[in-house]
Amino acid sequence: AQSVTQPDIHITVSEGASLELRCNYSYGATPYLFWYVQSPGQGLQLLLKYFSGDTLVQGIKGFEAEFKRSQSSFNLRKPSVHWSDAAEYFCAVGDGRDDKIIFGKGTRLHILP
Amino acid sequence: ETGVTQTPRHLVMGMTNKKSLKCEQHLGHNAMYWYKQSAKKPLELMFVYNFKEQTENNSVPSRFSPECPNSSHLFLHLHTLQPEDSALYLCASSQGRSTYEQYFGPGTRLTVT
Repeated sequence: AQSVTQPDIHITVSEGASLELRCNYSYGATPYLFWYVQSPGQGLQLLLKYFSGDTLVQGIKGFEAEFKRSQSSFNLRKPSVHWSDAAEYFCAVGDGRDDKIIFGKGTRLHILP
Repeated sequence: ETGVTQTPRHLVMGMTNKKSLKCEQHLGHNAMYWYKQSAKKPLELMFVYNFKEQTENNSVPSRFSPECPNSSHLFLHLHTLQPEDSALYLCASSQGRSTYEQYFGPGTRLTVT
């Protein structure tokens, strides 16, 4: 069965600094990978997704993620964070065979002014 | 209305009450999902429906009873809940299969007293 690990529970960066959030997955075949963001008290919003093709995918709000099969990783990056990026970020994986995707435990991002 | 809507947004209920949560999607999707999100716990998938048929019941206690009358509407009927059931309940929809991203509603914040 597939699984997702987000090793960092909390990350703090200064406004304007670069960001990388880590995500590792466990799945034998090519996975379907997603990053979601959740602001406090809200639902989850899709940032980007990877199904196949170019391993560097661009998303909304200036985010990008890179799929690295050799490392089983799908890390989320942003070159310069804004205070409004403070939120919780979830990595998720699906295998394409059923209706569900598996979510990681999330990484809470804090932004220092 | 666009996207996925959930009502009510907040609900306080006693342990002996019966209440229902409603979810409606305006995206033409086939699949609908209920998730539970508790503080300091990962996102928990509860139920999945695809074309009104339940395809996943993740060992949810019987005090939670889902209903999916059509592909656009999903209900979660609640009765004799416990305080530990207090959480944010999120509804999502997708085109089905984990190859497709899920779109989330804003959630219902449930407090059981």
